[in-house]
Amino acid sequence: GNSVTQMEGPVTLSEEAFLTINCTYTATGYPSLFWYVQYPGEGLQLLLKATKADDKGSNKGFEATYRKETTSFHLEKGSVQVSDSAVYFCALGGVNTGTASKLTFGTGTRLQVTL
Amino acid sequence: DSGVTQTPKHLITATGQRVTLRCSPRSGDLSVYWYQQSLDQGLQFLIQYYNGEERAKGNILERFSAQQFPDLHSELNLSSLELGDSALYFCASSLTAYSNQPQHFGDGTRLSIL
Repeated sequence: GNSVTQMEGPVTLSEEAFLTINCTYTATGYPSLFWYVQYPGEGLQLLLKATKADDKGSNKGFEATYRKETTSFHLEKGSVQVSDSAVYFCALGGVNTGTASKLTFGTGTRLQVTL
Repeated sequence: DSGVTQTPKHLITATGQRVTLRCSPRSGDLSVYWYQQSLDQGLQFLIQYYNGEERAKGNILERFSAQQFPDLHSELNLSSLELGDSALYFCASSLTAYSNQPQHFGDGTRLSIL
């Protein structure tokens, strides 16, 4: 079945440092891929998405590229801020359009950014 | 604000009881999903409805049931509650049931079983 593997956290960085959170997936076909962010006490917010190979999703300085050859969707940001402290989830959508579209989530990676 | 509304925000009850969690999807969204978030299991898909019809089932216990009403709001019913049912329950919605559609999440209902 489908699965998502994320790097273990927590990740602790100083403000303005470069961020990479690794995400790899297992699925047949060409699933859609998503990154969600969860701030303390809140629900999940969609951060970015990519629906086909070589697509790059970007939002708020975050980027991730859909790499079919390595089955990866790593999240990057060039300069993190304290306000980026949150839990980040990589998620895999359904592999065929028109079918049920549940999301399969990774375990989440907690990011803590310090001054 | 995602536009998805979940009530109540917190629920405290005892083992053996029954509760109902409510979700109003974003305006215009036809598909509703329920997820459970717990420390040991992470985020798990429970069930999906599309325009009133059940579309997919995940790791949903037989003690749990859900439905989507004609006005598209959804309810998740949890019965014979056990301590292990304590978790954060999220509702999400999307425009269609297509897999490339992003899902928009509510703030969740935190269920605590005493």
